[in-house]
Parts: sequence; C-alpha cells; structure tokens
Amino acid sequence: ETGVTQSPTHLIKTRGQQVTLRCSSQSGHNTVSWYQQALGQGPQFIFQYYREEENGRGNFPPRFSGLQFPNYSSELNVNALELDDSALYLCASSPTPDRSYYGYTFGSGTRLTVV
Amino acid sequence: DQQVKQNSPSLSVQEGRISILNCDYTNSMFDYFLWYKKYPAEGPTFLISISSIKDKNEDGRFTVFLNKSAKHLSLHIVPSQPGDSAVYFCAASARGQGGKLIFGQGTELSVKP
Repeated sequence: ETGVTQSPTHLIKTRGQQVTLRCSSQSGHNTVSWYQQALGQGPQFIFQYYREEENGRGNFPPRFSGLQFPNYSSELNVNALELDDSALYLCASSPTPDRSYYGYTFGSGTRLTVV
Repeated sequence: DQQVKQNSPSLSVQEGRISILNCDYTNSMFDYFLWYKKYPAEGPTFLISISSIKDKNEDGRFTVFLNKSAKHLSLHIVPSQPGDSAVYFCAASARGQGGKLIFGQGTELSVKP
C-alpha cells in the first residue's frame, strides 16, 4: 500500500509568479484535501476534492485553485504569489469525502518559499 | 478568529513521567476532536480521537480527556518516551463540514532521557 506522495518537496518562487503543487493519493482513497501550514501555526484547510470536483473550501482567495484527476491524484495551483503564501503545503487523502479525516493520510508536504 | 488554541508552544518532560498537552476551543458546534503528531520533514500522523458524546478515550499510553462545559481537551501520555518528542496538534471538526479540520497552533513536546 503506497502512501501519499507530494512533489516537489521544496521550491522557491518570486512574488507574482504562479505555482503548481502535486499530490498522489494513497491507493484506494478517492478524496484529497489540501492544507497550508505557515511557520509556527497549525495547518489551515484550503479545500477538498472528491470525484474531480471541489467539495468544501476554507477561507482562501480564488487565486488558490485545484484539480483532481480520474486516478484521484490532485494539484494545487496558486496564482499571483504573495510573500505570505510562503508555507508548508500538505495534502491528505482519505477513502470517503464525509468525515474524511477519519482516514486521513498526510503527505510530507511541499515547502514553498516566495521571495 | 482562532477557534482551536494550544496555548503552550512547548513542553519539556522527563522520560517515564506524564506529558499533558492542552487544547481549548470556542466553537460549540465541534463534535469530533483529534490529536496528530508531527515529526520534522514528515506529514502529521493520527494519534487518537474523541467524539463529543464521550469524555475519555484511551489507546495504550495515550488518553484524551474532553471537558465540554469548559471547552477543553487534553492529551495524556504515560509513560513518556524520547520517541514521543514531536509537535502535537489538536484538531476539531463540526458536523456538516465534510473533511474540514480546524487545527491548533501545536505544542512541541521534548522528552528528555
């Protein structure tokens, strides 16, 4: 059983640029959630995807968008990067969308630095 | 608006003693609470959870206590081991919120040999 894999592990972008982060979900999991963890803070829910559609969203602006693919892998896209977007981005997959945290498996995250 | 708060950024405990990590919440709609453990360069891993209809849940060395009237929960680790050294996050969810978890800021536990 493979776990959740995120890529890349680290990257540096310039303010105003766009970035795409990737997540492959655990085998048998059909739901993916994304979280942003700023330094010294707990993870904050960005959104959840189920059956290739957004299935819940946190308090993040529209420049944060996502995709889920038929194989349940997912992408997080952030446009017009700001310095405050510097954070660890965590992906979690789960077997169901409702109460999905019951079976959350987190990836190791992507560390994004915006300069 | 911090709905879940962990007011102690760090805690140091001697090996073999009890570790008590605390968490407060403000939203009375929360009905499920979880504790996660996070090592550096790894994602959070689930530790233990409790439903709002219970006041205690035990799993081996880990026990979570929930005091709904005080909107407070705590994680007890007995006995503490050096391998328990990590950042611990408290998280909460409300019915109808799908998979959305609200996390606290975390408490870094250091268990000294």
